[in-house]
Parts: sequence; C-alpha cells; structure tokens
Amino acid sequence: QVQLVESGGGVVQPGRSLRLSCAASGFSLSLFAMHWVRQAPGKGLEWVAALSYDGRNDYYADSVKGRFTISRDSSKNSLYLQMNSLRVEDTAVYYCAKMAEPMGYNWFDPWGQGTLVTVSS
Amino acid sequence: SFALTQPPSVSVSPGQTARITCSGDVLSNQYSYWYQQRPGQAPVVVIYKDNERPSGIPERFSGSTSGTTVTLTISGVQAEDEADYYCQSADGRGTWVFGGGTTLTVL
Repeated sequence: QVQLVESGGGVVQPGRSLRLSCAASGFSLSLFAMHWVRQAPGKGLEWVAALSYDGRNDYYADSVKGRFTISRDSSKNSLYLQMNSLRVEDTAVYYCAKMAEPMGYNWFDPWGQGTLVTVSS
Repeated sequence: SFALTQPPSVSVSPGQTARITCSGDVLSNQYSYWYQQRPGQAPVVVIYKDNERPSGIPERFSGSTSGTTVTLTISGVQAEDEADYYCQSADGRGTWVFGGGTTLTVL
C-alpha cells in the first residue's frame, strides 16, 4: 500500500539549515505531484511547497520562498525539503503529502506521519 | 495569494447535524477539499472535489457548495467525529491554501 515516511527533523539554531526526507513506497514519485505541508504547534495547516509529477516545476509559499527548496531522487523514490536560513517561526511538524490522482494537482492523499522541526537558540 | 475562512469552533450533541462552512472567492471556480485531523494524527481527506466521498469515509459526511462558500455536513454526529476539520483549495497557478481549521466538539 501507499506509504510516506518523513525523517530529518530535529532541533536547529536560527539561521542554520536542515534537510527533510520523505521515503515513498507503493507508488512512483514520477507519476504524482508531491507537497510539503507544515503545522506549527497548536496551529493550523500551512502549505509549504509543491513539486510537479515530472519534477520540472516547483512552487513555494511566500513565507519560505528563497529559503526552502523541494526536490526528489527518483532512484530512491524519495522527496526532500532543503530548509536554509531557518527562523523561529519555521518551527512545526512537517508533513509530506501525495496528490491523490496521477500527474495533476488535486487533493492530498495520503499524508505521512510528520517530522518535527524546532528552531531555537 | 488567497484566503479561506472557517469558524474556529462548532459544537453539537451526538446524533445531531454539524455544519462547517468555508468561504473564499477562489471557491467559486476551484474545487474544495475537506480534511479531518484527530489529535496527534496526520490529516485524512473526508471530502474531495466539493462533494465526493472517498471509500472508507462514512456516508454521514457530505459536502456542498454555493457560490463562494462550501459546507461540510456531518449528519448524525458520533463521538469519534470530534476532531479538527480543514477546508483546502488551490488557485490553479501554483498556490494551495488551507482554511484556519474548525474544531468540532461533540457535547
């Protein structure tokens, strides 16, 4: 079955970098657009970044544009989020999520279990 | 970017009907989606494309749309439905947005 497993979270100081990984199984990343969505403690969901199914197009929320980069390694069937110049307000659980239907942009299904990123001095 | 507005909270007694609204200009021409998130868990889609229900989601969950407002309706609410609910849409140009979320309390 389809499964997404995030890793790479942890505690990091402001201004430093961190790379999150999302290992996908049960489907090929090459067929589905993928996203990162975050949730600050006690807050709502915030879309962060998207990568098209063919890997040619990436999109970012204004809050992370220029600091975060979404990418993938098809040989490992894994999605990544490189986070640079981290800020305290980036503290959140980061989820990777798959688009439900292939090739297009539709709805998030399923989601991984999330990985916690804490930015603190 | 665009915004989606939800009420922060809705409370109903077991067996009653809960209605959660979501408003935003983009909803007049883009699909809406609804996610349920229980404490400590990842979100799960309960309604897609305005009013379609995924397999495995109980029939008491339904969605409707009218202009720039969409509504998630839960008929015959059960205790297990207590959760946070988020609406979501996209602008078709590379931006996805969630509503602020609504906490459903079953009294």
